[in-house]
Amino acid sequence: NAGVMQNPRHLVRRRGQEARLRCSPMKGHSHVYWYRQLPEEGLKFMVYLQKENIIDESGMPKERFSAEFPKEGPSILRIQQVVRGDSAAYFCASSPTPGGHQPQHFGDGTRLSIL
Amino acid sequence: DQQVKQNSPSLSVQEGRISILNCDYTNSMFDYFLWYKKYPAEGPTFLISISSIKDKNEDGRFTVFLNKSAKHLSLHIVPSQPGDSAVYFCAAVNTGNQFYFGTGTSLTVIP
Repeated sequence: NAGVMQNPRHLVRRRGQEARLRCSPMKGHSHVYWYRQLPEEGLKFMVYLQKENIIDESGMPKERFSAEFPKEGPSILRIQQVVRGDSAAYFCASSPTPGGHQPQHFGDGTRLSIL
Repeated sequence: DQQVKQNSPSLSVQEGRISILNCDYTNSMFDYFLWYKKYPAEGPTFLISISSIKDKNEDGRFTVFLNKSAKHLSLHIVPSQPGDSAVYFCAAVNTGNQFYFGTGTSLTVIP
């Protein structure tokens, strides 16, 4: 399966712990996007990264959230000191180039539950 | 600030009939629009797109119509099949490559 791979599929954390979500883009894709979906809501853009660079993080909360896409390895979305409101589905997408003419391909998401 | 809106949370259609899913947007600077389909516990999958310079794009049973003056787009599925039952998201893309998604419409095709 050469699709976008996200792991873990489900993650349970207690309040105050850290959550790390990983995303391996499709082969040949160097652009990665993270989205959050709260219950009964649509996908909300969080951050757009290209290898080793954050291009747009306008959708990221200012505190506790960070993202990286290192030269080697998957992209990581990190949430520190999680709170109940962080419970959501987090989706990663990738594309070979940016732009609306190039659809983003999504992974199956990580469902984060905060106890 | 919801720039892309899908005002119908759900839609039920008989198998073989036409399904029409609607989407409205507020920003006239969007230059691409896309539809995604999502099954439970899976990620969205791309369905069809349209450039802002066009008013129609067709791919098999799926047709997307864009009315720029009304800032409205729609997805037509004809004939509808039970396997089309899913949540459909519309998305709009600006020149800064930011994707804005609607809240989705759950389509149920009744056999």
